[in-house]
Amino acid sequence: QKEVEQNSGPLSVPEGAIASLNCTYSDRGSQSFFWYRQYSGKSPELIMSIYSNGDKEDGRFTAQLNKASQYVSLLIRDSQPSDSATYLCAPRYGNNRLAFGKGNQVVVIP
Amino acid sequence: DAGVTQSPTHLIKTRGQQVTLRCSPKSGHDTVSWYQQALGQGPQFIFQYYEEEERQRGNFPDRFSGHQFPNYSSELNVNALLLGDSALYLCASSLPRLADNEQFFGPGTRLTVL
Repeated sequence: QKEVEQNSGPLSVPEGAIASLNCTYSDRGSQSFFWYRQYSGKSPELIMSIYSNGDKEDGRFTAQLNKASQYVSLLIRDSQPSDSATYLCAPRYGNNRLAFGKGNQVVVIP
Repeated sequence: DAGVTQSPTHLIKTRGQQVTLRCSPKSGHDTVSWYQQALGQGPQFIFQYYEEEERQRGNFPDRFSGHQFPNYSSELNVNALLLGDSALYLCASSLPRLADNEQFFGPGTRLTVL
């Protein structure tokens, strides 16, 4: 079982629509979860962190966490062309190590 | 507020050579983690340094080694380079005693092994 699973296939969304990204993880002991945005050729940029079950909103981004189901998601509302990037889900495992999946590629179509 | 910095930006080496990459953490951070990101993949954890010691290590061979200096900056050394070592090497800094303990990445060093 992979540590982090993300559907890496490109997600195409029209400008102004909602992009929904999903992530599952294997370590039930994980307590902290992070979403990073990575533009092509650039390094990951932290956009959201979530530690408790439920929803956390920050601007156009909403992270959702369900520890019982080992599931984390990210919603991007009112998607903009500048949101076109790869989104990396990263639970923290063990002593401060981040585990990454392959990422979800998002393409916002004007 | 100075962010994480890394040098060099790009590097080209040949198989068998050795390379040293450098990282300065975000101001106020004392922990440095190194990750390797191959093309099309997510970052993979190499190791983490805190108080000048390696605290955790991922599934990487001993050819990968590191060091942390008293000012919290860090180096990643890779010996006997292989073609498969070509990747983006990322440094992330954090302050674990903070409740949120977020990791912030530097711009990365793109290593090409020929």
